[in-house]
Amino acid sequence: QKEVEQDPGPLSVPEGAIVSLNCTYSNSAFQYFMWYRQYSRKGPELLMYTYSSGNKEDGRFTAQVDKSSKYISLFIRDSQPSDSATYLCAMSAGTGNQFYFGTGTSLTVIP
Amino acid sequence: NAGVTQTPKFRVLKTGQSMTLLCAQDMNHEYMYWYRQDPGMGLRLIHYSVGEGTTAKGEVPDGYNVSRLKKQNFLLGLESAAPSQTSVYFCASSYSSRENTLLGTDTQYFGPGTRLTVL
Repeated sequence: QKEVEQDPGPLSVPEGAIVSLNCTYSNSAFQYFMWYRQYSRKGPELLMYTYSSGNKEDGRFTAQVDKSSKYISLFIRDSQPSDSATYLCAMSAGTGNQFYFGTGTSLTVIP
Repeated sequence: NAGVTQTPKFRVLKTGQSMTLLCAQDMNHEYMYWYRQDPGMGLRLIHYSVGEGTTAKGEVPDGYNVSRLKKQNFLLGLESAAPSQTSVYFCASSYSSRENTLLGTDTQYFGPGTRLTVL
């Protein structure tokens, strides 16, 4: 079983839609959760970061962690064509531990 | 300020050939990393460096060697390329430790990637 599971999509939505991206994980020791955005032919860039459970909001983006269900989500409100990218989740148990990345979900926002 | 750059952008090798991938950063970062990204596998850490002259193994180090002779450069070498090393390779750097990127007090900056095909 993979440490982190992420639906690869592709996901296609109309502009203005609310997008929900998700990852599940198996290691209950994970405490640090990140979302990266990767444009085509580019390296990943950190989008959101959350520690432990709860929600974190940054503009149109909301990261949510449910440790009891081992499930994390990234919500994008009022999606824009510029949001079209691959979104990778990443997580870790803490300092000195390795990162585990999801395989990424490809998102296209249609104007 | 170019950030993190990688050379070359694309490369095709035959099995058994060797090559070196170059990563350069101009942000005076102490920490540098090499990842590979494969379909269905996500990003995996190959090797990393916590400073000039030091390197350490990541999750998938076999078949690769690295060197950090200068602070701004991190080289990834393949001595005898194999088809299993066909991948997209990303270099990243951070000012402080990987733990701090984990704690959210720092972040890793990624390069644009090198697409390597081994026939």
